[in-house]
Amino acid sequence: AQRVTQPEKLLSVFKGAPVELKCNYSYSGSPELFWYVQYSRQRLQLLLRHISRESIKGFTADLNKGETSFHLKKPFAQEEDSAMYYCALKGSGNTGKLIFGQGTTLQVKP
Amino acid sequence: DTAVSQTPKYLVTQMGNDKSIKCEQNLGHDTMYWYKQDSKKFLKIMFSYNNKELIINETVPNRFSPKSPDKAHLNLHINSLELGDSAVYFCASSPRQGSYGYTFGSGTRLTVV
Repeated sequence: AQRVTQPEKLLSVFKGAPVELKCNYSYSGSPELFWYVQYSRQRLQLLLRHISRESIKGFTADLNKGETSFHLKKPFAQEEDSAMYYCALKGSGNTGKLIFGQGTTLQVKP
Repeated sequence: DTAVSQTPKYLVTQMGNDKSIKCEQNLGHDTMYWYKQDSKKFLKIMFSYNNKELIINETVPNRFSPKSPDKAHLNLHINSLELGDSAVYFCASSPRQGSYGYTFGSGTRLTVV
């Protein structure tokens, strides 16, 4: 079965602390994974995708096939990082379907 | 200029009613989607259209019927609304089928009473 699990509903850290938002997936084959973010009063938007190997707003995510994980990391959290983060997996076939996890709310305290 | 717009933003209605949610995108994208976000915040795909053609139809009750009059519009009609239909419904678009950089609408919060 294709599935994305984000084990934490809420992650609360202080400004300047490191952040790791966990994401595990279940997929047979070569997965493609994404992180989407929803800031307060804004739309859900793409943050980064693993194939781009990019760093956006200081966030990075590495695909670990052995652990079937795609954790999102940032070395020093900022208050403006507070948002809802969704990990998503490309569904099989080429339909454009994304399978989302249930999301993690990141709260960065001053 | 809003890229993906949904109307209405909020919808409160009684059980048994029929309602529609509209979505329009001005990005020139070929593919549009409907996702449902339940009370636990899970986002699950319902339908997808590529250039007016239905390409994804997940296990959704047939009370839900999508309609795409052209590639810029994807509407969702729901018949005989039930309490369990209460959710936030998100429309999204992407440049083409197989492209995963979605642009989302702001969502429609449907409450069935």
